[in-house]
Amino acid sequence: EAQVTQNPRYLITVTGKKLTVTCSQNMNHEYMSWYRQDPGLGLRQIYYSMNVEVTDKGDVPEGYKVSRKEKRNFPLILESPSPNQTSLYFCASSYRERSYEQYFGPGTRLTVT
Amino acid sequence: TQLLEQSPQFLSIQEGENLTVYCNSSSVFSSLQWYRQEPGEGPVLLVTVVTGGEVKKLKRLTFQFGDARKDSSLHITAAQPGDTGLYLCAGAHPGANNLFFGTGTRLTVIP
Repeated sequence: EAQVTQNPRYLITVTGKKLTVTCSQNMNHEYMSWYRQDPGLGLRQIYYSMNVEVTDKGDVPEGYKVSRKEKRNFPLILESPSPNQTSLYFCASSYRERSYEQYFGPGTRLTVT
Repeated sequence: TQLLEQSPQFLSIQEGENLTVYCNSSSVFSSLQWYRQEPGEGPVLLVTVVTGGEVKKLKRLTFQFGDARKDSSLHITAAQPGDTGLYLCAGAHPGANNLFFGTGTRLTVIP
């Protein structure tokens, strides 16, 4: 089954404790991205990747890091999480660039206390 | 910076009614997509429009891209409870590689 998987689905952590949210897709998609979704603000893109070893900032990259060492994986790293990073996070992939259908993962709900 | 504004933000209607949701911007987009998101899940693509003035139909849903490619609308005919969800528009600017999403319209269809 074609899908985007994220782990964990739920995470409660404390300020400053480094964490990684994993994202994997099995569709051989070139383009992957991370979004955060907040009430009243919609989905905002954090980082995106056009291909392996090619990443770029989206709309709200501050406080986040990403890497794309393999085509299928695109982890999101929070080196020092803060409460304002409490949000619902989605990973997405598409065949090529942003014009194509984006397949979204199920989401990761992160709470930073 | 919010580049895509959706209206209305919330909409509650009776089953069988028609409705229109709007997605507006002052910027030109090379393509625009509509997604539907249900609670606990990620958004799912409904349609992509790329040509100014383009109209696409998906069963009871009609999507239109503005002539100037700055706005779009989604019209639902005879809404059903299964149409309940968060509707999101998303646009890509010419030459850019990232996608901008609107704030969404939360639709509730009451049986």
